Amino acid sequence: ELKVEQNPLFLSMQEGKNYTIYCNYSTTSDRLYWYRQDPGKSLESLFVLLSNGAVKQEGRLMASLDTKARLSTLHITAAVHDLSATYFCAVDRYTGNQFYFGTGTSLTVIP
Amino acid sequence: KAGVTQTPRYLIKTRGQQVTLSCSPISGHRSVSWYQQTPGQGLQFLFEYFSETQRNKGNFPGRFSGRQFSNSRSEMNVSTLELGDSALYLCASSRTSGGQSDTQYFGPGTRLTVL
Repeated sequence: ELKVEQNPLFLSMQEGKNYTIYCNYSTTSDRLYWYRQDPGKSLESLFVLLSNGAVKQEGRLMASLDTKARLSTLHITAAVHDLSATYFCAVDRYTGNQFYFGTGTSLTVIP
Repeated sequence: KAGVTQTPRYLIKTRGQQVTLSCSPISGHRSVSWYQQTPGQGLQFLFEYFSETQRNKGNFPGRFSGRQFSNSRSEMNVSTLELGDSALYLCASSRTSGGQSDTQYFGPGTRLTVL
């Protein structure tokens, strides 16, 4: 069974600092997705990474994918309070839209 | 463009009852997937429907079932509810299924509480 691990599970960081969230997965998959979830809300799509070496950036967030290492990273640059949320990575199988989600990283940005 | 909608948003049931949740995908999307989110198990895949056919099924007991209608709307049913079924049930839609690179767009979820 495909397993997806994220670390850290909890992250408390000060505004203005940089940090990286890691997502490891156990079997071959060339497609990786990042989502954000605010408390009591649904999942919001952030990035879709479709090939080895893919890098996507949106504002203070940048995601990358290394399929050989089975690793994706979500880098946060100069964090602001609005980025406080839980971030999930997910991989899927080619047979359909069956996403395997990581455990999630709960990010709190402290002013 | 309207997003994924789910009804009802909140439900309270007692053990042994059954429940039906509804999901309307984004217009033009033919794939609907269901996920269960709990604090202990996280986000777990239940099943996916595409063009009224179940394409994939997660590791859940037969009490969990679903269907999709010709207009792509989907329902999921849970029979003989157990306390452990208390969760947020999320529906997600996408244009295609299998071999494509579509992201899934999630609805607001249905919060089910089993007493």
